[in-house]
Amino acid sequence: IAGITQAPTSQILAAGRRMTLRCTQDMRHNAMYWYRQDLGLGLRLIHYSNTAGTTGKGEVPDGYSVSRANTDDFPLTLASAVPSQTSVYFCASSDSTQGTDTQYFGPGTRLTVL
Amino acid sequence: GQNIDQPTEMTATEGAIVQINCTYQTSGFNGLFWYQQHAGEAPTFLSYNVLDGLEEKGRFSSFLSRSKGYSYLLLKELQMKDSASYLCAAMDSNYQLIWGAGTKLIIKP
Repeated sequence: IAGITQAPTSQILAAGRRMTLRCTQDMRHNAMYWYRQDLGLGLRLIHYSNTAGTTGKGEVPDGYSVSRANTDDFPLTLASAVPSQTSVYFCASSDSTQGTDTQYFGPGTRLTVL
Repeated sequence: GQNIDQPTEMTATEGAIVQINCTYQTSGFNGLFWYQQHAGEAPTFLSYNVLDGLEEKGRFSSFLSRSKGYSYLLLKELQMKDSASYLCAAMDSNYQLIWGAGTKLIIKP
């Protein structure tokens, strides 16, 4: 089934630990995004990639890094997790060649940092 | 700055009609999106408007006025499964989405 998968579904992490959230899409979309969603706030963009090999910073990039080695995968790494990074993380992708840039979302990863 | 405003919560009755409003301020404008998000799930795409006017898609319609920085989502013949959060997002000049905090819609029988 075409779409976006994320792993893990949920994770409890000790502060200071390193963590990589995985995201894979099979729609051959050129653009991919990482958002965090916190109660009472809109989705906030962490990092994005317009095409394989390129990445950019979003609204809240501090404490996070990404890579885009190929079209399908877009992992998000927390180098040293802090409690303020407790959130639900959504990966999304879009085909910007289609003009509307509609973004399609993965199921999310619920991360708790203690 | 860039900003999206939408009501935090609305309540409506099964079978009725509800209108969810959204106002936006962005640096440049490349369209207005509405997404539906059920509790604990991912946002799913509902509609996209880039020109002024009404777009109808089954029970859901979306309206845009670019001059007023205003959009609404109209839901007709409400069903219990429509209970969800509805997210408004505007695309700025860099083709980045600016998201509202979402409107939680509660449907009562």
